[in-house]
Amino acid sequence: EPEVTQTPSHQVTQMGQEVILRCVPISNHLYFYWYRQILGQKVEFLVSFYNNEISEKSEIFDDQFSVERPDGSNFTLKIRSTKLEDSAMYFCASIESSSYNSPLHFGNGTRLTVT
Amino acid sequence: RKEVEQDPGPFNVPEGATVAFNCTYSNSASQSFFWYRQDCRKEPKLLMSVYSSGNEDGRFTAQLNRASQYISLLIRDSKLSDSATYLCVVNGNDYKLSFGAGTTVTVRA
Repeated sequence: EPEVTQTPSHQVTQMGQEVILRCVPISNHLYFYWYRQILGQKVEFLVSFYNNEISEKSEIFDDQFSVERPDGSNFTLKIRSTKLEDSAMYFCASIESSSYNSPLHFGNGTRLTVT
Repeated sequence: RKEVEQDPGPFNVPEGATVAFNCTYSNSASQSFFWYRQDCRKEPKLLMSVYSSGNEDGRFTAQLNRASQYISLLIRDSKLSDSATYLCVVNGNDYKLSFGAGTTVTVRA
C-alpha cells in the first residue's frame, strides 16, 4: 500500500537555526498538509496545500514557517528560526481527491527537538 | 467552543468488554467524519470513516448524529491491542480537518 514518507525521523537543532522537514506524499494525492503535535497535546493543523499554493493556514503558521513543493514529489516544511516551543512531532499528510470523504493519510512523523 | 471535543478518558476496561465514547463538533456545515487511532508517539492511523447511516467494521461501530452534532465509536469485545488514543477528525467545508484531543482507552487483561 502506498505510504506518505517523512525524513528525517528525528531532528535536533539549536534555537535560532533553520530546519527543513521533508515529506513525499502519496503520488496521486492532491491535497497536502502539515500538522504538529506537542508531546501530550492534540494534533494541530498548520497548513494545507493544493495546486501549488497554500489553501489554508492556522495561526501557528506564522512568518517563520513556509512550505514548498519544489518538484513533483517532495513537500517541505521550513522553519526559519526555530524556537524552543517548536519542539514537537510534525506530521505530513495527504488526501487523494477533492471528495470530502477522502481520509488523511499520515506519514510517520518527524520529531523535532529544539535545544 | 472548541471545534471538536472529546472526553479524554481514560476508559479502563477489561478484555472482552464493550466501550463507547462520543465526539461533538461545533460546525454544523461539517461534511465528513473519521475516527483515527494513535499509539504513543506514532502517527494517527485511520480506523474508519463515519457515514450518515452509521457503519460497522468488525468489532467497531461508528454513528453520526447530525441533529445533535456528535459522532460515536463503540468497540465490542475489547482486545488488549485496542489500547490507544482514539482521535475524532472532522472535515468542515474547507479541507482543514480538525482534530479532537483524543480519548484514551486502556484494555486490561
